[in-house]
Amino acid sequence: AQTVTQSQPEMSVQEAETVTLSCTYDTSESDYYLFWYKQPPSRQMILVIRQEAYKQQNATENRFSVNFQKAAKSFSLKISDSQLGDAAMYFCAYRNSYGKLTFGQGTILTVHP
Amino acid sequence: NAGVTQTPKFRILKIGQSMTLQCTQDMNHNYMYWYRQDPGMGLKLIYYSVGAGITDKGEVPNGYNVSRSTTEDFPLRLELAAPSQTSVYFCASSYQGRTNTEAFFGQGTRLTVV
Repeated sequence: AQTVTQSQPEMSVQEAETVTLSCTYDTSESDYYLFWYKQPPSRQMILVIRQEAYKQQNATENRFSVNFQKAAKSFSLKISDSQLGDAAMYFCAYRNSYGKLTFGQGTILTVHP
Repeated sequence: NAGVTQTPKFRILKIGQSMTLQCTQDMNHNYMYWYRQDPGMGLKLIYYSVGAGITDKGEVPNGYNVSRSTTEDFPLRLELAAPSQTSVYFCASSYQGRTNTEAFFGQGTRLTVV
């Protein structure tokens, strides 16, 4: 069974600083897809970044980047130059090659001005 | 494009009643999903489908049923509603290829069972 674990229920960061959110997953597959989603209080699910397991290069999207360690089954999200609008619940997600998409428990990120 | 559309947005059910949550997508995605999210918690997979006529159970399927007769629609049926089914329900869809693999979500349905 595929499982996704986010070991940090809550994290906080000062505005303009950098924060890293952790995610590990359990799988026996070699072909899969990983995602980070952001959920603000509006409940809307917003894609932050995605990573295909067949790509060795870590994905980046502006201030957001990932550290994908395939052997360690680790997929952390780094947010640089944190902004007040980054405050939200962040979810790590894993999709296998057959389409099953599983989410972690979430990390609440607080940004202090 | 409308994306993923869920109806209704809110609903109050009495214990023992039944209802269907509707979900439709206009992106021609093969993969569709239903999740529930309890307050302050993550998304738990109820059922998913990899194409018309194909459905499979997720982590928490008990008390729910689904069908997928078309690519566009993936309704979720609640039979004999129970207070434990009070939650926010999300429908999502995604492309089945090896790129652009992210899921697109509906706005959610807040269901209360009293």
